[in-house]
Amino acid sequence: QQQVRQSPQSLTVWEGETAILNCSYEDSTFDYFPWYHQFPGESPALLIAIRPVSNKKEDGRFTIFFNKREKKFSLHIADSQPGDSATYFCAVTNSAGNKLTFGIGTRVLVRP
Amino acid sequence: DAGVTQTPRHEVAEKGQTIILKCEPVSGHNDLFWYRQTKIQGLELLSYFRSKSLMEDGGAFKDRFKAEMLNSSFSTLKIQPTEPKDSAVYLCASSYTGGVSEQYFGPGTRLTVL
Repeated sequence: QQQVRQSPQSLTVWEGETAILNCSYEDSTFDYFPWYHQFPGESPALLIAIRPVSNKKEDGRFTIFFNKREKKFSLHIADSQPGDSATYFCAVTNSAGNKLTFGIGTRVLVRP
Repeated sequence: DAGVTQTPRHEVAEKGQTIILKCEPVSGHNDLFWYRQTKIQGLELLSYFRSKSLMEDGGAFKDRFKAEMLNSSFSTLKIQPTEPKDSAVYLCASSYTGGVSEQYFGPGTRLTVL
């Protein structure tokens, strides 16, 4: 049973465009939704996270949009830069535990 | 502060061998995780410890994978016997106890099983 679905698996955008990555989940008890990024040759690291008390979280050019009713959340990378090229993982968990379940990942390539 | 450390960084094993991977979490972190990362399956949880107690042992990975946490600052992952399909990057991560704590990942061990 897939607890979190992530799409697309790969995405290519031009420099300056907005990249949009999507995730959906089934379990309504999930209440913490982080995004991790992983640059080639490196390990995953936390990028940004949201709790369902709000439907939007911004950090610079990175924004999470959250739709509790539809159980979906997305990561928008505005004004994409070649340095943003990486694999992005969404994840889900609930406050009762500390285990993260990760999506399959989206490989983003930003062309100059 | 030192981050999560993992050794070795690379390991090559013959089919049927026993290998042991090592991890030292961030000092003060109470939760430790072992993941396997492949291009096809992504990040798969193998084991999860909280304050040295095993909380989850990864279901499908039980038979040949055994993780232990001998003390709060050291963990091992034993794969016995290894199979070619075990070729992957094995990541260790740690975090403070708490439902939404950030996980800090180590550099990983790239395992190749011939």
